[in-house]
Amino acid sequence: AQSVSQHNHHVILSEAASLELGCNYSYGGTVNLFWYVQYPGQHLQLLLKYFSGDPLVKGIKGFEAEFIKSKFSFNLRKPSVQWSDTAEYFCAVSNDYKLSFGAGTTVTVRA
Amino acid sequence: DADVTQTPRNRITKTGKRIMLECSQTKGHDRMYWYRQDPGLGLRLIYYSFDVKDINKGEISDGYSVSRQAQAKFSLSLESAIPNQTALYFCATSDTGTGGIDTQYFGPGTRLTVL
Repeated sequence: AQSVSQHNHHVILSEAASLELGCNYSYGGTVNLFWYVQYPGQHLQLLLKYFSGDPLVKGIKGFEAEFIKSKFSFNLRKPSVQWSDTAEYFCAVSNDYKLSFGAGTTVTVRA
Repeated sequence: DADVTQTPRNRITKTGKRIMLECSQTKGHDRMYWYRQDPGLGLRLIYYSFDVKDINKGEISDGYSVSRQAQAKFSLSLESAIPNQTALYFCATSDTGTGGIDTQYFGPGTRLTVL
């Protein structure tokens, strides 16, 4: 079975700071990788996804993620965060059409 | 996403009661999923269905059952609710995208409290 590990449980940073959230997965086969965001009181929304091709993928709201196959990692980045980026972020891995989620990272951006 | 709706949005019930959570979608997707979200655990898959005649257990199906009444409807039942089933429940849908890869789209969630 595959598993997904997110390194940080809670990240607190100031506006304009850079953000990087770590995600590692354990599965040796071909996987599809996702980052979802959950704003307070809302449902999960897709930020970005990687299936194949360029390992650097760009998503909505200025987020990007880099797939490093040798490290089984799919880290999420944003160069300059805003207060509105306060949310919980989930990394997810799928194969066989089922998603496995990490535990999530809560990001708090202070104005 | 208004294309995936869940009812009720909030529910408080007592131990031993039967409860049903409903999910409807207008996206025309074949695949539907039920997850529960617990703090610090992320989302865990309860059941999934790839079409109306297909039902599969996820990683935490014990204590739950599902019904796929139509392509657009997928219900989750707790036959006899217990307090550790208190959680946020999400329905999701997907279809087969390019190369057989699909992206899941989530409903707004149902917050269930079992006293």
